[in-house]
Amino acid sequence: NAGVTQTPKFRILKIGQSMTLQCAQDMNHNYMYWYRQDPGMGLKLIYYSVGAGITDKGEVPNGYNVSRSTTEDFPLRLELAAPSQTSVYFCASSYSITGDNNEQFFGPGTRLTVL
Amino acid sequence: AQKITQTQPGMFVQEKEAVTLDCTYDTSDPSYGLFWYKQPSSGEMIFLIYQGSYDQQNATEGRYSLNFQKARKSANLVISASQLGDSAMYFCAMRDLYTGGFKTIFGAGTRLFVKA
Repeated sequence: NAGVTQTPKFRILKIGQSMTLQCAQDMNHNYMYWYRQDPGMGLKLIYYSVGAGITDKGEVPNGYNVSRSTTEDFPLRLELAAPSQTSVYFCASSYSITGDNNEQFFGPGTRLTVL
Repeated sequence: AQKITQTQPGMFVQEKEAVTLDCTYDTSDPSYGLFWYKQPSSGEMIFLIYQGSYDQQNATEGRYSLNFQKARKSANLVISASQLGDSAMYFCAMRDLYTGGFKTIFGAGTRLFVKA
């Protein structure tokens, strides 16, 4: 049981390049999330998904896109990378959003630098 | 609007002593959940404890307990018998369960240093 996995762990991009951050979970969770964490700050929600084929914007979606073709995978796409997207990106999943078992399980994070 | 405030940027505690990390929140939702996460220097986010707004008792998980005072809108984390491995960043978070749906907001965090 791997939980939530993310690849890559580190990446350096040049301004204007694109990349996809991969996220997968093996806990059969319907709910998945992408956050970014800027230095010295808490997490901010970029996008979330409530199930395969259903995604929606969070607090800071500009410059990102997501897709959810399967329950397990929730990739985050950066188009035209900018220095402001330098951050640590966390993927998370949860079994529910209310009541018991609604805590989020996080992946190890991807540290992205845009130069 | 939702808001989470952690007023202690950093705290020191002696090993084996108890420590309280403060968290206050603001919401107009009648139903909400409060979370605490630990982030060690390795960077991963580890779920510690959850408190629902309608839970009658304060949540406890091993050495962690949540001192929930609804009228004061506070949800402080108490760590008993601190260990060196407790040195980390701690984040308080909240989700409005009635209107907020999927959005969990996080505080800025408190860095805890445990001294030997």
